[in-house]
Amino acid sequence: DAGITQSPRYKITETGRQVTLMCHQTWSHSYMFWYRQDLGHGLRLIYYSAAADITDKGEVPDGYVVSRSKTENFPLTLESATRSQTSVYFCASSESWLGRSGTSTDTQYFGPGTRLTVL
Amino acid sequence: DQQVKQNSPSLSVQEGRISILNCDYTNSMFDYFLWYKKYPAEGPTFLISISSIKDKNEDGRFTVFLNKSAKHLSLHIVPSQPGDSAVYFCAAETGTASKLTFGTGTRLQVTL
Repeated sequence: DAGITQSPRYKITETGRQVTLMCHQTWSHSYMFWYRQDLGHGLRLIYYSAAADITDKGEVPDGYVVSRSKTENFPLTLESATRSQTSVYFCASSESWLGRSGTSTDTQYFGPGTRLTVL
Repeated sequence: DQQVKQNSPSLSVQEGRISILNCDYTNSMFDYFLWYKKYPAEGPTFLISISSIKDKNEDGRFTVFLNKSAKHLSLHIVPSQPGDSAVYFCAAETGTASKLTFGTGTRLQVTL
């Protein structure tokens, strides 16, 4: 299927375990992003990538690791999960540097989200 | 430090009336603004955007207004429909690697 997909959609894990959330896009977009959504905070950027093998920290990167060996995949790993990482995680991608293409549809496209619960 | 603020957590509007959702920002480097709509258990979907060189952008029932001097933007939905009931997020971009800063969202309920 074309688009952006995330797996798993739901995950329950225990404190201290390693968890990897997967993100896959079929558009060959250069930019990819990971956000977490929490009540009272909206969506906060965890990590982003401008291209394969190029990643950088966002607003809340602590406790997370990313990699991007292929353009279409951008996995997010929680190395040692904590209860504070219970959240809904969204992956997104965009083709261009937003606002520069001159098109009104210049945007990030979001996956359906992964609901992660850390017990 | 919340650089993008949506001060109304919720809004209820009657079907057929105008919905006005507001967003304020503090970072004068923001130069591209977007509105996203989000239904439960789904990812946000793009609604409309506006560049800082414009003060208005219209797309069907949706219009976004930007007041740069006041650092304020608003989304107008006319007429409101029950299917518009969702959480609306305002987002802003600084021109650096397409990173977005989101507001906390406003839950819109359109009643019959």
